[in-house]
Amino acid sequence: EIVLTQSPGSLSLSPGERATLSCRASQSVDSKNLVWYQQKPGQSPRLLIYGASSRATGIPDRFSGSGSGTDFTLTISRLEPEDFAVYYCQQFGGSPPMYTFGQGTKLEI
Amino acid sequence: QVQLVQSGAEVKKPGASVKVSCKASGYTFTTYYIHWVRQAPGQGLEYMGMINLSDGGTNYAQKFQGRVTMTSDTSTNTVYMELSSLRSEDTAVYYCAREAPATCYFDFWGQGTLVTVSS
Repeated sequence: EIVLTQSPGSLSLSPGERATLSCRASQSVDSKNLVWYQQKPGQSPRLLIYGASSRATGIPDRFSGSGSGTDFTLTISRLEPEDFAVYYCQQFGGSPPMYTFGQGTKLEI
Repeated sequence: QVQLVQSGAEVKKPGASVKVSCKASGYTFTTYYIHWVRQAPGQGLEYMGMINLSDGGTNYAQKFQGRVTMTSDTSTNTVYMELSSLRSEDTAVYYCAREAPATCYFDFWGQGTLVTVSS
């Protein structure tokens, strides 16, 4: 099973600042299969980024994804108040192929 | 518009089973997969498994094999997830989520169903 480790566990920033969230895989992940979600308290997860770098429908361009192999990054260029949430990476792969999630990064003010 | 509407909260005793439903609308039901993901209180997301609605095929995470069963009813566009031999550690919000085949991401999620296991 591919294990995803997200860092930092929590991140305190202010509106207008840049946020950089990391997701590291225990073995190489096909970039097509690396995904990022946002979850706010009391809500279901929301798809942000798929294929490591493609924004989902309706996602503002301040969100961007990058990376390959075992290291992936979610960047929020200028934080808005509504961006403070928990962010999860997810992958599909390994042997046997399975979906796994990282443990999440909490982005707080 | 795409919607996944889940059944309401459940309270179960240890050793019992729970069956959660997920009713889909706004798209062609059989052309997507439905996955189940759970989240214990204050914890992260945990993948449970999936059902292919075109043929009913299932694939469960190893942790849940033997305890989980995912089924579908194409006449009502509803997917079911049944978890048996419940223990306190199964207390969680259970989500269904949709995937277009071979895309590997979940583009729509249900609202979640809280299952509480308590004696």
